[in-house]
Amino acid sequence: DTGVSQNPRHKITKRGQNVTFRCDPISEHNRLYWYRQTLGQGPEFLTYFQNEAQLEKSRLLSDRFSAERPKGSFSTLEIQRTEQGDSAMYLCASSVTNEKLFFGSGTQLSVL
Amino acid sequence: GEDVEQSLFLSVREGDSSVINCTYTDSSSTYLYWYKQEPGAGLQLLTYIFSNMDMKQDQRLTVLLNKKDKHLSLRIADTQTGDSAIYFCAETRGNTDKLIFGTGTRLQVFP
Repeated sequence: DTGVSQNPRHKITKRGQNVTFRCDPISEHNRLYWYRQTLGQGPEFLTYFQNEAQLEKSRLLSDRFSAERPKGSFSTLEIQRTEQGDSAMYLCASSVTNEKLFFGSGTQLSVL
Repeated sequence: GEDVEQSLFLSVREGDSSVINCTYTDSSSTYLYWYKQEPGAGLQLLTYIFSNMDMKQDQRLTVLLNKKDKHLSLRIADTQTGDSAIYFCAETRGNTDKLIFGTGTRLQVFP
């Protein structure tokens, strides 16, 4: 069990650029979640996949955000035309059921 | 985290017990969790409790759930400096699979 893996660990970008993050869940975990965490706050739910189907999206996920999980394994989260307000830690989690979610170490995004 | 509330800070002496409290508002919560986050790291699942239980013990950790008052607590016995971190409570609700997190309690353990 290698745990949930996220890449990159850190990303610094200029406002207006596009960024993409990757999450590799624990193998055989069919559920995958994306959360966003800003400084001093708890994580906020963004979106959730069961296998390749995106089952729920938060209102926080604006049109500039898109997530995919094409083969039901790894997932990508893309942010287009980044804004300074997008600066946050983006956390991925996976699970078999909704009973226990296991989180990755996150991707820290800084938009300059 | 507007529906799940925690106090922001807790400071304890090494060897003492720590009690971190959490209140939630949704009575349909099915599972309630405690996660630990160290600086620059992701979230580590510490323990969780099903909503039809009122207590769960796991080594140094004791979770108490008062469903009537919608109050959850985490007691850490014999607190160590390595326990210094931010602790988040979280709930899942009904048929949804998303976790709703509190704002976190920063635990500081001093010698």
